[in-house]
Amino acid sequence: KAGVTQTPRYLIKTRGQQVTLSCSPISGHRSVSWYQQTPGQGLQFLFEYFSETQRNKGNFPGRFSGRQFSNSRSEMNVSTLELGDSALYLCASSLPRVSGEETQYFGPGTRLLVL
Amino acid sequence: KQEVTQIPAALSVPEGENLVLNCSFTDSAIYNLQWFRQDPGKGLTSLLLIQSSQREQTSGRLNASLDKSSGRSTLYIAASQPGDSATYLCAVKGRGTGNQFYFGTGTSLTVIP
Repeated sequence: KAGVTQTPRYLIKTRGQQVTLSCSPISGHRSVSWYQQTPGQGLQFLFEYFSETQRNKGNFPGRFSGRQFSNSRSEMNVSTLELGDSALYLCASSLPRVSGEETQYFGPGTRLLVL
Repeated sequence: KQEVTQIPAALSVPEGENLVLNCSFTDSAIYNLQWFRQDPGKGLTSLLLIQSSQREQTSGRLNASLDKSSGRSTLYIAASQPGDSATYLCAVKGRGTGNQFYFGTGTSLTVIP
């Protein structure tokens, strides 16, 4: 079974630009979560999508947004990029169970550098 | 808000040594706790998942324990190898938080040949 894939793997942008990152979950997984990882803040939760609906959101400004398509693929968009947005963006998928006791599987990440 | 702490932040051991990594969390109302490994510049690889009703999980040379009441988990690595060198992260999934995981800041492990 193919794992979680993220594209692109590396990206260089300049301040003020916008960027769109893509995540394809494991086949059959309907939940996709996004995380930002920086050396100073560690891994921080951005948001989660399930069945095309945002189910949960972390404490990030409105410049960070996302969506999920009917095939469960998800995109994350960051508008008006700032230097502090430079980070590794990780996507995770899971097969939510009623009990909530599921494993998250992570993709390799997209490394974004904002100049 | 759930706070997850990992101690130590960095650890260096000679090959063959057994070692323990610690994780503590502030809110015991969790669904599960998961240990991950991250190699430099890479994504996360799941090592072990412990459900809230479980006390421990084992996979090969790895053993993870969970004490929910005290808000603690340990990851035991037996007979360490240079290939075990990586950053180890623990994450907890709280009840009522959707599918959000709260991560610790990680322990950077170096196993010296």
